[in-house]
Amino acid sequence: AQRVTQPEKLLSVFKGAPVELKCNYSYSGSPELFWYVQYSRQRLQLLLRHISRESIKGFTADLNKGETSFHLKKPFAQEEDSAMYYCALKIPNSNSGYALNFGKGTSLLVTP
Amino acid sequence: EAQVTQNPRYLITVTGKKLTVTCSQNMNHEYMSWYRQDPGLGLRQIYYSMNVEVTDKGDVPEGYKVSRKEKRNFPLILESPSPNQTSLYFCASSLQGTRTKSYNEQFFGPGTRLTVL
Repeated sequence: AQRVTQPEKLLSVFKGAPVELKCNYSYSGSPELFWYVQYSRQRLQLLLRHISRESIKGFTADLNKGETSFHLKKPFAQEEDSAMYYCALKIPNSNSGYALNFGKGTSLLVTP
Repeated sequence: EAQVTQNPRYLITVTGKKLTVTCSQNMNHEYMSWYRQDPGLGLRQIYYSMNVEVTDKGDVPEGYKVSRKEKRNFPLILESPSPNQTSLYFCASSLQGTRTKSYNEQFFGPGTRLTVL
C-alpha cells in the first residue's frame, strides 16, 4: 500500500529553536510529495512541493529516497509557525488521474 | 476573488435524513475532491473528479455519493447519514488532474462541520 506516515501528533518547541517535522512514505514508484499547512481558523494551504526545491517561510524539505523520508525543517521556529502540518503523497490511479494521500498531521506549537 | 466555497458551513442533522453539501469553484479547475478530517486520522479522501462526468473513489467512499455535471460544482451527497459520518468536510480543487502533468496546488474550501445525531 502506498501511504504517508507522520509519527508525531504533537511537536512543541521554543521560539528560536530548530524544528523538524517528520514524514515517511511508502511508494513503489517515483514519489511526488508535498507539505500542506493549516493555521488556526484558516483553510489548508500548500506550503512546499519537493519538485520545486523551494524555501517557504524559512521551511525546507528534502526528499530522501534512501530513507523514504520528506522531513520538513526550519532552523529557527517562530510563534506564527504554530499550526497543523500535513505531509501528502500524489498517487496515480488507473484512470489516468491521481489521488492525494495525506498523513495524519503533526500539530506544531511554538512557545515563547 | 478566486476561491472554493462550501455550503452549508455547519449542519446538524439526524440519522437517515438525506443531505447534500455543495462545493463550487470559480477558477475553471478540472480536478475537484472531497476530504473528511477527523481527530487523530487527519485528512482522508472520499471521492475525487478529474473532470466533468469523471469521478472516482478515494480512501473512504462508503456512505457517500458525488456527481460532476458541470465543471464548477462537485456536490457531496449523503443518502442516509449515520453518526460515524460526523466530521469536518473539505472540498478542494486544482487546475488539472492528470497523472502525467505536474502537480497543481489544491485549493481548499473553508470546511463544513457536520453532526449526525
